[in-house]
Amino acid sequence: QSVLTQPPSTSGTPGQRVTISCSGSNSNIENNYVYWYQQLPGTAPKLLIYKNDQRPSGVPDRFSGSKSGTSASLAINGLRSEDEADYYCATWDDSLSGRVFGGGTKVTVL
Amino acid sequence: EVQLVESGGGLVQPGGSLRLSCAASGFTFSDQYMDWVRQAPGKGLEWVGRARNKPNTYNTDYAASVKGRFMISRDDSKNSMYLQMNNLKIEDTAVYYCAREWQLYYYGMDVWGQGTAVTVSS
Repeated sequence: QSVLTQPPSTSGTPGQRVTISCSGSNSNIENNYVYWYQQLPGTAPKLLIYKNDQRPSGVPDRFSGSKSGTSASLAINGLRSEDEADYYCATWDDSLSGRVFGGGTKVTVL
Repeated sequence: EVQLVESGGGLVQPGGSLRLSCAASGFTFSDQYMDWVRQAPGKGLEWVGRARNKPNTYNTDYAASVKGRFMISRDDSKNSMYLQMNNLKIEDTAVYYCAREWQLYYYGMDVWGQGTAVTVSS
């Protein structure tokens, strides 16, 4: 059972917008930055979003992050076939004194 | 090229020990916090722990699931980080990744190795 709760899966057709939620608590998301990672099949994770809503260089602006209170979300606009991957939210948990990941959300492009 | 390369994985019996290595290149290793993250077969990512940098006295943090059994160390002179795993359990079976925390990305893990597989089985 992950400290951060994500839906196991979501899907969309090419060009659609999909959103992934990440629910936490006041010991993690509310008081810490949220990060999002993309993991393509058979590869290492890749940093997609940092500091809640910032994109590292090279990440397309189709990806956007937001945070409000104890929840965060990742949006993918203009879904593309190459976006089919697992997405994980992550943050620091003050009670656990450690990083925590969400359980991951598998995005399928129909 | 910025790169992390893990090594040392393999098959070990329950209760055994294993030491993983992470070799860094292409950046100033000594400036960065470094993490270990693992992924059990077919499962999600799980943070294992991290080693802070010298200005932060190389302090380490660990996940509750490994605290007391795993120890992270680093050798800045060799641009390397290590994960000493003792009293291994079947549930420690996973691919272990090392990752760099990048200050400019507010300590997001922006560089990852390819991973090294650890199998704990009798």
